[in-house]
Amino acid sequence: GAVVSQHPSRVICKSGTSVKIECRSLDFQATTMFWYRQFPKQSLMLMATSNEGSKATYEQGVEKDKFLINHASLTLSTLTVTSAHPEDSSFYICSATGTGTVLTQYFGPGTRLLVL
Amino acid sequence: SQQGEEDPQALSIQEGENATMNCSYKTSINNLQWYRQNSGRGLVHLILIRSNEREKHSGRLRVTLDTSKKSSSLLITASRAADTASYFCATYRDNYGQNFVFGPGTRLSVLP
Repeated sequence: GAVVSQHPSRVICKSGTSVKIECRSLDFQATTMFWYRQFPKQSLMLMATSNEGSKATYEQGVEKDKFLINHASLTLSTLTVTSAHPEDSSFYICSATGTGTVLTQYFGPGTRLLVL
Repeated sequence: SQQGEEDPQALSIQEGENATMNCSYKTSINNLQWYRQNSGRGLVHLILIRSNEREKHSGRLRVTLDTSKKSSSLLITASRAADTASYFCATYRDNYGQNFVFGPGTRLSVLP
């Protein structure tokens, strides 16, 4: 149980385009989803926390207009990287917690974004 | 700011040996969790230890927590080549995931 999927697993796009990444909880209802960013050989940095039906809470230094997060249902959150630039190339990972699993986050497999 | 800090940053051992990784943190916590990440993949939750616990076991894993020193250790016994991965500690400050902070991780290589 507690499976989180992400789609796509890899995406290559041209500079200036927007990319949407989906995060789904497959077998539980995720009241809260988290989006992280990870550069090579570095740790995960929390970008934002999203609760179903409400606006995401962004960490300091993360541009909310550039990284649009939508958590429209209890099983789906999306991260849209708008007007992507090469410096946005990174590994994006989502995680989710359910009502009964507040203390444990279940992570998706990650999405590798390469902006040319 | 980064909370957990693992050391060593990289560790290379032979199969069958034990691997010990340490994590230090700065603020009070509700619990501390260890995760594993294979290269280019998502994270797998290994073990959670609450602030009122001192030691926890799960299979070949043993985690200790010393809240007075604000440190934790992860011991993997009888390591296998398949244990090769990065290991992260993450500290949790409240029950709503608002302060879930990862350390920089330890890259473990287990040589066959």
